[in-house]
Amino acid sequence: AQKVTQAQTEISVVEKEDVTLDCVYETRDTTYYLFWYKQPPSGELVFLIRRNSFDEQNEISGRYSWNFQKSTSSFNFTITASQVVDSAVYFCALSSQGGSEKLVFGKGTKLTVNP
Amino acid sequence: DVKVTQSSRYLVKRTGEKVFLECVQDMDHENMFWYRQDPGLGLRLIYFSYDVKMKEKGDIPEGYSVSREKKERFSLILESASTNQTSMYLCASSKGQVLNQPQHFGDGTRLSIL
Repeated sequence: AQKVTQAQTEISVVEKEDVTLDCVYETRDTTYYLFWYKQPPSGELVFLIRRNSFDEQNEISGRYSWNFQKSTSSFNFTITASQVVDSAVYFCALSSQGGSEKLVFGKGTKLTVNP
Repeated sequence: DVKVTQSSRYLVKRTGEKVFLECVQDMDHENMFWYRQDPGLGLRLIYFSYDVKMKEKGDIPEGYSVSREKKERFSLILESASTNQTSMYLCASSKGQVLNQPQHFGDGTRLSIL
């Protein structure tokens, strides 16, 4: 069975703080893909990143960075110097070759960045 | 950019009504999906489709059906709406020729069943 756990339900920070959103996954497949999505208050889920199970290099995109560690089955997301516009619900998701293109989502972490 | 359009942002219907939620994508994607999103439960897959006239049950298909007569359009049908189907419904699409591509989502339809 596949499962994604986002243990942090809500996080509140002050602008310019760094914040890390945790994601732990479970799968028996050796080939799988991990995703992060952002859902701002407007409602639309916005795709942020996809990472496959064979690529453990960390990724940085501007203020966003992702740390993928197979040893701990984690794919954590860090926002550096957070801004009010980062306030959203963030979802981690998993799909695998055996999963028929289905995404399994975590329950999301609501991030509030206060001015 | 991929555009996934859902026909309504807000919809109010009555118990027992037949409800249609429409979704259209403009990128010739093979795969289309319907999710519902509820507080504390995250996103749960209702149905998905790999191609025209094909459909597969997701995790919570009970009380729903779908229709995919054209590649760009995927409809979710509530045969006899009930109050426990009040929720946010999200449609998504993805390219099918390469596995595990990102899904692109519409703005969502907030459905209330009275």
